[in-house]
Amino acid sequence: EADIYQTPRYLVIGTGKKITLECSQTMGHDKMYWYQQDPGMELHLIHYSYGVNSTEKGDLSSESTVSRIRTEHFPLTLESARPSHTSQYLCASSARTGGGYTFGSGTRLTVV
Amino acid sequence: DQQVKQNSPSLSVQEGRISILNCDYTNSMFDYFLWYKKYPAEGPTFLISISSIKDKNEDGRFTVFLNKSAKHLSLHIVPSQPGDSAVYFCAAQGSARQLTFGSGTQLTVLP
Repeated sequence: EADIYQTPRYLVIGTGKKITLECSQTMGHDKMYWYQQDPGMELHLIHYSYGVNSTEKGDLSSESTVSRIRTEHFPLTLESARPSHTSQYLCASSARTGGGYTFGSGTRLTVV
Repeated sequence: DQQVKQNSPSLSVQEGRISILNCDYTNSMFDYFLWYKKYPAEGPTFLISISSIKDKNEDGRFTVFLNKSAKHLSLHIVPSQPGDSAVYFCAAQGSARQLTFGSGTQLTVLP
């Protein structure tokens, strides 16, 4: 059973549209992350949060923004989608003390 | 500057044989290492981990070996099964508790 949920699973959208990728977890984890992954490439951290009202940019520069108003919810927004944003977006969470991450199923975004 | 490297993008193994996936890291401050398995269009799922105070951890068909002096870890799967075909990511964690991932190795187990 999934403890971290991402919606939608797949999204095809036109250039210039605003989109929000949803991520919610039911484990009470303080830490949440967004990764971007292209086929055959490593996972690149684009945003992370260590708690409510705390967000930081990751190693890979991204035009997306995130918010963390509730512990369980960590949405990612693209104000104006472009074809270069086509990728798989993975959300993850972890407990405060560390250990492994639990990943969602991902959102495959295609911008046409 | 990749701190975690998986130099083999792909590996093919016959069913029933051993699969060995390798991973090298450069940051000596990493103290916890994990392997994740990923199917296409799915998120990575946790497989097995090892603390830097150990050199081996075993869980069923999966064993991870850590060689700290060489900054090298490996995942052994034996016997390999067709359902093991997936991309395997190595990850390392330091004091900030963030994970740094390698680029993955596509394992194909041939029936």
